[in-house]
Amino acid sequence: DIQMTQSPSSMSASLGDRVTITCQASQDIGNNLIWFQQKPGKSPRPMIYYATNLANGVPSRFSGSRSGSDYSLTISSLESEDMADYHCLQYKQYPLTFGSGTKLEIK
Amino acid sequence: EVQLVESGGGLVQPGRSLKLSCAASGFTFSNYYMAWVRQAPKKGLEWVATISTSGSRTYYPDSVKGRFTISRDNAKSSLYLQMNSLKSEDTATYYCAREGDGYNPYYFDYWGQGVMVTVSS
Repeated sequence: DIQMTQSPSSMSASLGDRVTITCQASQDIGNNLIWFQQKPGKSPRPMIYYATNLANGVPSRFSGSRSGSDYSLTISSLESEDMADYHCLQYKQYPLTFGSGTKLEIK
Repeated sequence: EVQLVESGGGLVQPGRSLKLSCAASGFTFSNYYMAWVRQAPKKGLEWVATISTSGSRTYYPDSVKGRFTISRDNAKSSLYLQMNSLKSEDTATYYCAREGDGYNPYYFDYWGQGVMVTVSS
């Protein structure tokens, strides 16, 4: 099974900060990775498809990148509405596996 | 408008069974792989099951294999999850999700609101 190691598990940042969350894949997944945002009591919302493609309606301050087996979600300038949990998902092969999640708080 | 509406959750005793349903609308249901994803309280997301467009192929993680069965009725645009031999660790919010059509990279683009399943005596 492919393990997705997500870091950090939680973080606190100030408005306007640049924030980066990372998932490392234990095997090659190509670009078959999605980043989700989940706010309390809500369903996950896809933010980034295929590792680097912004989903419809997602602000341009969000971006996705890949370096080898490391995948990153970056928020270029943090806004208050970005407070949420973030999850990565690999869909290269079954069993599909999520990262353990990152709780992003605003200082 | 794409909508996924789950139902069938509730409180169930360990070892008993429960069946979840997901009513889909706003898209051609039979063109899409569909999935169930769950989230235990205060925990991360866990993929639970996937079913192919025709229902001929199903996929499960080891944690539910042999206990859970995913199925679909394309005529009714409905997805199901039969959960048997339930354990306390199955307690979670269960989400129905549109997985993908195999042609576009927009996997897991729509999710239901979730339904709570509590396994407790």
